[in-house]
Amino acid sequence: GQQLNQSPQSMFIQEGEDVSMNCTSSSIFNTWLWYKQDPGEGPVLLIALYKAGELTSNGRLTAQFGITRKDSFLNISASIPSDVGIYFCAGDQGAQKLVFGQGTRLTINP
Amino acid sequence: DTEVTQTPKHLVMGMTNKKSLKCEQHMGHRAMYWYKQKAKKPPELMFVYSYEKLSINESVPSRFSPECPNSSLLNLHLHALQPEDSALYLCASSQAQRNSPLHFGNGTRLTVT
Repeated sequence: GQQLNQSPQSMFIQEGEDVSMNCTSSSIFNTWLWYKQDPGEGPVLLIALYKAGELTSNGRLTAQFGITRKDSFLNISASIPSDVGIYFCAGDQGAQKLVFGQGTRLTINP
Repeated sequence: DTEVTQTPKHLVMGMTNKKSLKCEQHMGHRAMYWYKQKAKKPPELMFVYSYEKLSINESVPSRFSPECPNSSLLNLHLHALQPEDSALYLCASSQAQRNSPLHFGNGTRLTVT
């Protein structure tokens, strides 16, 4: 089936550092979504991207939809302890079937 | 706080038990979903309901039986499960139109003994 290649798989950073992660695919998606999942909870929607080239911010988070519709990145600026968690990208081709990346596990050292 | 509510939060059941997972949303969404998530893996789609009708079944074994009694409720009936079915079961909802983002509940942590 379709796959999203998400990288890196894990990140260990110092508090205050900026973070960057990305997803690529061989398929075109209509929508890219970025979710964060904390332990014992469900994924929480961070940013939704609908147009090729679209750049969207949500506080310290910024995400962009690649111009080819086959990739997206998420940046987090000035990381804080509550940013710890697993970040998933997800692509939607409009058939109500999200394709998820494998996740990026973010760990922050105080 | 999530606007998709799932109960129970935790469930332990034997392989001969029958149990049900419940999900409720009051966002007016007309599409509802069941996902299964194993540890350190992304969620995997099981079922999709659109306007209370089953629209997608991702070849899920019949020991999992979904039900959508109305536009706000989604159930997952469990019977004769196997230990490998132990996982986090996530419910989600969205607007029924194309490319509407999914909103997830906090899941039910299921353990099959």
